[in-house]
Amino acid sequence: EVQLVESGGGLVQPGRSLKLSCAASGFTFDAYAMHWVRQAPGKGLEWVAGINGVGWSRDYTGYADSVKGRFTISRDNARNSLYLQMNSLRAEDTALYYCAKSFYRVAAGTYFDYWGQGTVVTVSS
Amino acid sequence: EFVLTQSPATLSLSPGERATLSCRASQYISSYLAWYQQKPGQAPRLLIYDASNRATGIPARFSGSGSGTDFTLTISSLEPEDFAVYYCQQRSYWLTFGGGTRVEI
Repeated sequence: EVQLVESGGGLVQPGRSLKLSCAASGFTFDAYAMHWVRQAPGKGLEWVAGINGVGWSRDYTGYADSVKGRFTISRDNARNSLYLQMNSLRAEDTALYYCAKSFYRVAAGTYFDYWGQGTVVTVSS
Repeated sequence: EFVLTQSPATLSLSPGERATLSCRASQYISSYLAWYQQKPGQAPRLLIYDASNRATGIPARFSGSGSGTDFTLTISSLEPEDFAVYYCQQRSYWLTFGGGTRVEI
């Protein structure tokens, strides 16, 4: 059974940093691209960032324009873990952040077939 | 700017009725569209991918159609557990979601 468990969310002041983690199990983690998708309170879904798995332009990462230059996605295949380093946080980054497995093995041009339950990030002074 | 527009915003129906949800893309996306269901307090669930293919374990009452710029999700006969918010998502121009359609009783 595929499981994705996010952690690391919390309350942070504007301009500060936070790092989210996602522990994956139940599938061959390093073979698949992984993503972060967020949902602001009462709003819809927004793709945040994605990263390829091994064997598929391994260093490829992609970011939404809203987070480019501030957020960094990474993975540790030995630990079956996905990360999101969030710097220069803004109030508009307040959301539930989901870790999601890519339907296809590449990060670009994919869907999301498994999701975690999310971790809440609140940016406020 | 690429946009996915879902309509209607809210659909009020009764169990047993047919639901028809629309998703329109601002540019041609072939069949590169998925549909998700999200219930309150839960993560989204993939229902349909590449416009018309049901994901694993999805009941046959859910079907998708369309290509190019106009897409439809049909629920043939609503079950009580189908009342939720539905999102479309495209994979042709980066990865973007529509604004959602709430199906309510």
